[in-house]
Amino acid sequence: EVQLVESGGGLVKPGGSLRLSCAASGFTFSSYTLNWVRQAPGKGLEWVSSISDTSTYIYYADSVKGRFIISRDNAKNSLFLQMNNLRVEDTAVYYCARVDILGAYWGQGTLVTVSS
Amino acid sequence: DIQMTQSPSTLSASVGDRVTITCRASQSISTWLAWYQQKPGKAPNLLIYKASLLETGVPSRFSGSGSGTEFTLTINSLQADDFATYYCQQYNSYSWTFGQGTKVEIK
Repeated sequence: EVQLVESGGGLVKPGGSLRLSCAASGFTFSSYTLNWVRQAPGKGLEWVSSISDTSTYIYYADSVKGRFIISRDNAKNSLFLQMNNLRVEDTAVYYCARVDILGAYWGQGTLVTVSS
Repeated sequence: DIQMTQSPSTLSASVGDRVTITCRASQSISTWLAWYQQKPGKAPNLLIYKASLLETGVPSRFSGSGSGTEFTLTINSLQADDFATYYCQQYNSYSWTFGQGTKVEIK
């Protein structure tokens, strides 16, 4: 069974940093592109970033480009999102997700709150 | 970026009704479209992928159709558990985009 479990969320002040992790199991982690998606309170879903299987291709939404860094450790079946210079508008539940020809798999999310 | 326009934004219906939600892509996405159901405080739950493939365990009253730029999600005989928000998602390009969501409310 595919499982994605996020961690690392919390309360941080504007301008601060946070590192999210996503632990994966139930599939060959190193073979799949993975993504981060976020959802602000009461709002819709917003794609944040994606990373290919070997980290060759990395993409970001314009709203986080230059502030967030996605990475992965295939030996540890883990996905990461380093979030720097956080803004109030980055407050959201962050999900790691895998969506491809075989279907869609999402974690339960981790809440990031940016507030002074 | 590919834009996804979902309609309606809100839908009032009764148990037993048939409901249809539409998603339109700004350019062709073939059949790289998923539909999700989301309830408050929960992660999105996959209903349909590849435009028309029913996820394992999802009731057969849910169905998806379409290709290219026009897609629909149909719920036949709406049940009490189906009152929720629904999202479409395109995954044709590396940057996914989502519809704005459709909240299905009790009439």
